[in-house]
Amino acid sequence: IAGITQAPTSQILAAGRRMTLRCTQDMRHNAMYWYRQDLGLGLRLIHYSNTAGTTGKGEVPDGYSVSRANTDDFPLTLASAVPSQTSVYFCASSATWDRGTTEAFFGQGTRLTVV
Amino acid sequence: EDQVTQSPEALRLQEGESSSLNCSYTVSGLRGLFWYRQDPGKGPEFLFTLYSAGEEKEKERLKATLTKKESFLHITAPKPEDSATYLCAVQASPTDSWGKLQFGAGTQVVVTP
Repeated sequence: IAGITQAPTSQILAAGRRMTLRCTQDMRHNAMYWYRQDLGLGLRLIHYSNTAGTTGKGEVPDGYSVSRANTDDFPLTLASAVPSQTSVYFCASSATWDRGTTEAFFGQGTRLTVV
Repeated sequence: EDQVTQSPEALRLQEGESSSLNCSYTVSGLRGLFWYRQDPGKGPEFLFTLYSAGEEKEKERLKATLTKKESFLHITAPKPEDSATYLCAVQASPTDSWGKLQFGAGTQVVVTP
């Protein structure tokens, strides 16, 4: 089934540890995104990539890094996890055209708890 | 600064009791407004895109409308399976990076039999 695959589905992580959340899409979408979702705050954009080889910062980028080596993969790395990074993380992708993007398709999320 | 505000935060409906959800936005230039549905423990699922004031889209019991300052999601004769959190998101002018979506906090809808 075409779509977005995130791994792991959940993780408990000790503070200070490094962690990479994986995201792969098979829809050949140009644009990919990482959001975090916290109760009462909704979805907030962490980082995005409009095309392979480029990335940009979203609303809450501090403490996170991304790379986009190819079209399909967009990993999110927490270099040194802190408890405030406890959240549900969603990866998404969308097609792009010269005047904007189409709707975004989301993965099932990674529930991360930093203790 | 771009802002998206959804109301109410939560809505409890009897089966068959129609209602509307509101999404008000302030952006420098609206490129598109998106509605998503999110079930517990799952990622958001796309429902509609609206691009210009006056536009309407329908899908089963849901109808989305757009004005220059807000969007409404009308739920007609809801069923229990319509229970979910409904999210609104806006994409600002293409002069901003068109990868960015600004989401509202969502409206949690519960439909009881």
